[in-house]
Amino acid sequence: RKEVEQDPGPFNVPEGATVAFNCTYSNSASQSFFWYRQDCRKEPKLLMSVYSSGNEDGRFTAQLNRASQYISLLIRDSKLSDSATYLCVVYTGGFKTIFGAGTRLFVKA
Amino acid sequence: DADVTQTPRNRITKTGKRIMLECSQTKGHDRMYWYRQDPGLGLRLIYYSFDVKDINKGEISDGYSVSRQAQAKFSLSLESAIPNQTALYFCATSDRLAGEVNEQFFGPGTRLTVL
Repeated sequence: RKEVEQDPGPFNVPEGATVAFNCTYSNSASQSFFWYRQDCRKEPKLLMSVYSSGNEDGRFTAQLNRASQYISLLIRDSKLSDSATYLCVVYTGGFKTIFGAGTRLFVKA
Repeated sequence: DADVTQTPRNRITKTGKRIMLECSQTKGHDRMYWYRQDPGLGLRLIYYSFDVKDINKGEISDGYSVSRQAQAKFSLSLESAIPNQTALYFCATSDRLAGEVNEQFFGPGTRLTVL
């Protein structure tokens, strides 16, 4: 079983749609959680950190459920520019940061 | 100008050749990392360095070596390249904050093909 698992997609949605991505992690001692965005053939960039209380940044909302070892990312009012791969990232301590394989999103006009 | 740069951006080489990938950063970060990315897999850590004299193996270090020449420079070498080392390689940096895990900043990547 992978340490961080994501649905690879692709998710194909029309502009204006709401889309949700899920991620599960296997190490219950994991300490910190993030979503990164990676555009095609580009480097990953931090989108947002994920806190137990949930956090929101504009159209993006991230949630963490430690009991279920589950992280989510919700994108409201999707834009064409949201098309990218979204990486779930889990820090488990020491040097160990685990990147999920990513979920691809295509937003269509 | 980019804060984390990598050279070369693309490289095609043959099996058995020695290859060096270079990474430089102007962010002043202590911590530097080398990852590889393969389709369908997440980024996997090859080596990391928390300071100039600190070198540590990641999860897939076999067949690779690194050198931290200065705080700003971290090089990855493939001593004898093989085809399954064909991948997209990223260098990353992060700052040191006691008790926290902070953002990693990635270079633009090096696409390496080993024939």
